[in-house]
Amino acid sequence: EVQLLESGGGLVQPGGSLRLSCAASAFTSSGYAMSWVRQAPGKGLEWVSVISGSDGNTYYADSVKGRFTISRETSKNTLYLQMNSLRAEDTAVYYCAKGVTSWYLAPLDYWGQGALVTVSS
Amino acid sequence: EIVLTQSPATLSLSPGDRATLSCRASQSVSSYLGWYQQKPGQAPRLLIYDASIRATGIPARFSGSGSGTDFTLTISSLEPEDFAVYYCQQRNYWPGTFGPGTKVDVK
Repeated sequence: EVQLLESGGGLVQPGGSLRLSCAASAFTSSGYAMSWVRQAPGKGLEWVSVISGSDGNTYYADSVKGRFTISRETSKNTLYLQMNSLRAEDTAVYYCAKGVTSWYLAPLDYWGQGALVTVSS
Repeated sequence: EIVLTQSPATLSLSPGDRATLSCRASQSVSSYLGWYQQKPGQAPRLLIYDASIRATGIPARFSGSGSGTDFTLTISSLEPEDFAVYYCQQRNYWPGTFGPGTKVDVK
């Protein structure tokens, strides 16, 4: 059974950094597009970043471009999101999600349970 | 960035009713429109992609239609577990934007 398990969330001060991890099981994540989608408390969904499974290209929402970095470690079947220069508006549950295919804009068919990131002093 | 508008914001229905949810895009997204269901405290679940293709394991009571800028999600007969928030999402252009959601609650 496909599973995605996020970790690394927590409380961080404005301007601080945090790295989220997403451990995949029952499939080889490098062969699929892998994404991070966030949801601020009581709000809707925002597709933050994706790494293509075909060419490794990465894409970011304008709201995080230059501050967040998505990457993958094939040997560990794990996806990461390095978040720097965090702001209060980055407070959200961050979901890791698997694309149906390797294309970066593929629909997201499996999701993790989410990791809460709170940016506050 | 493509803006998606969903209507209505809230739909109050009873089990067994038919639910019709709408999603409109600010410009054409071809057929690259999907629907996700989210229940409180849970991650979203993919229901429909490419406007009308049901994802794996999704019951036949869920159906999608539309192309271009206007799309519809129909639940033919609401089951108790269908009361949730439904988001549409376009993936024709990056970033793949989501709509604000339609909450289907019990009348």
